[in-house]
Amino acid sequence: DAGVIQSPRHEVTEMGQEVTLRCKPISGHNSLFWYRQTMMRGLELLIYFNNNVPIDDSGMPEDRFSAKMPNASFSTLKIQPSEPRDSAVYFCASSLARGRPGELFFGEGSRLTVL
Amino acid sequence: ELKVEQNPLFLSMQEGKNYTIYCNYSTTSDRLYWYRQDPGKSLESLFVLLSNGAVKQEGRLMASLDTKARLSTLHITAAVHDLSATYFCAVDHQRFNTDKLIFGTGTRLQVFP
Repeated sequence: DAGVIQSPRHEVTEMGQEVTLRCKPISGHNSLFWYRQTMMRGLELLIYFNNNVPIDDSGMPEDRFSAKMPNASFSTLKIQPSEPRDSAVYFCASSLARGRPGELFFGEGSRLTVL
Repeated sequence: ELKVEQNPLFLSMQEGKNYTIYCNYSTTSDRLYWYRQDPGKSLESLFVLLSNGAVKQEGRLMASLDTKARLSTLHITAAVHDLSATYFCAVDHQRFNTDKLIFGTGTRLQVFP
């Protein structure tokens, strides 16, 4: 079975550039989560969707970050403009939620470096 | 705001020894998850604890949940090098009718010969 698929795996960009991270959840899962991991702040929940609808985006750092889920099999996390402090590993995870998040299955992550 | 704290943050232990990792959380929750992360890799689900008193075991790892004490433990028996990784607990936090998983700080475990 295919797990959660993220792309790109690595991205190096310059400050001010737009960055788009992509995620394909496990087929049949109805919840999707975006987490950010850094040494200083650990794992932070940025946003999560249930049935393609954003449920909680309180973790999104600021207006430079936006996320969409146009259908059940695809989500994007966009940073525009990017800043060096956005450098982190961004994980996408999905679950089969029955009223509650349930067990999360994580992708391999997208390592972002902003110079 | 829910806080999830693990201790210790770093653990260096000898093969064959036993040890326990603790996960404390600050608000009521009846669901807790344990994950493992190898360096540079993704997170892998280890245990799902769904009620007070739940105990799960897999190989040399055993996890338990005490919702009244707001505490979960991950016990390592006769550690081996392959268990070297970072271990995270995550708590299901319900607020304003939404649920989300809040992760702990992580415990980095290193097992040496």
